[in-house]
Amino acid sequence: EVQLVESGGGLVQPGRSLKLSCAASGFTFSNYYMAWVRQAPTKGLEWVASITNSGGSTYYRDSVKGRFTISRDNAKSTLYLQMDSLRSEDTATYYCTRDFDYWGQGVMVTVSS
Amino acid sequence: EIVLTQSPTTMAASPGEKVTLTCLASSSVNYIYWYQQKSSASPKLLIYYTSSLASGVPDRFSGSGSGTSYSLTISSMEAEDAAIYYCLQLTSTPPTFGAGTKLELK
Repeated sequence: EVQLVESGGGLVQPGRSLKLSCAASGFTFSNYYMAWVRQAPTKGLEWVASITNSGGSTYYRDSVKGRFTISRDNAKSTLYLQMDSLRSEDTATYYCTRDFDYWGQGVMVTVSS
Repeated sequence: EIVLTQSPTTMAASPGEKVTLTCLASSSVNYIYWYQQKSSASPKLLIYYTSSLASGVPDRFSGSGSGTSYSLTISSMEAEDAAIYYCLQLTSTPPTFGAGTKLELK
């Protein structure tokens, strides 16, 4: 059974950093493209970043370029999202997804002073 | 970036009623994914590559379309289908979602 379990969320002040993790199981992690998608409270879904199966290529939405870094450790079957210089508009539930088919339960990130 | 416009924004359907949701793309896309999201749960994939049914999804759900116009059909509404439905395009970067259609039970 495919499982994606996010962790690392919480309340953080504007300008600070947070690192999300997504532990994957039930499939060969190194074979899959992975992504982060977020959803602000009461809003729709918004793609944040993607990474190829090898980690060789990464992609970001414009509003997070230079602030967020997606990475992966295929040996640990884990996806990461390093979020720096956080802003209030980054407040959302962050979902880890395997090539947009399976999704984790999400982790809440609140950026507020 | 490709903008996906979903319609209607909100609708209500009676049990047994046929429901059709639409997703229009600002430029041609190769295929569309459809998701169902209930309350605060994570999105659930219903349809991929426009018309392929995801594993475990009831066959009352179907998808169709091409180019800039796509649709999700529920052949016979059930109470458990009340949810928000989103479309997603992966043809061009950035991937973009529609704003969603809220489907309620009448």
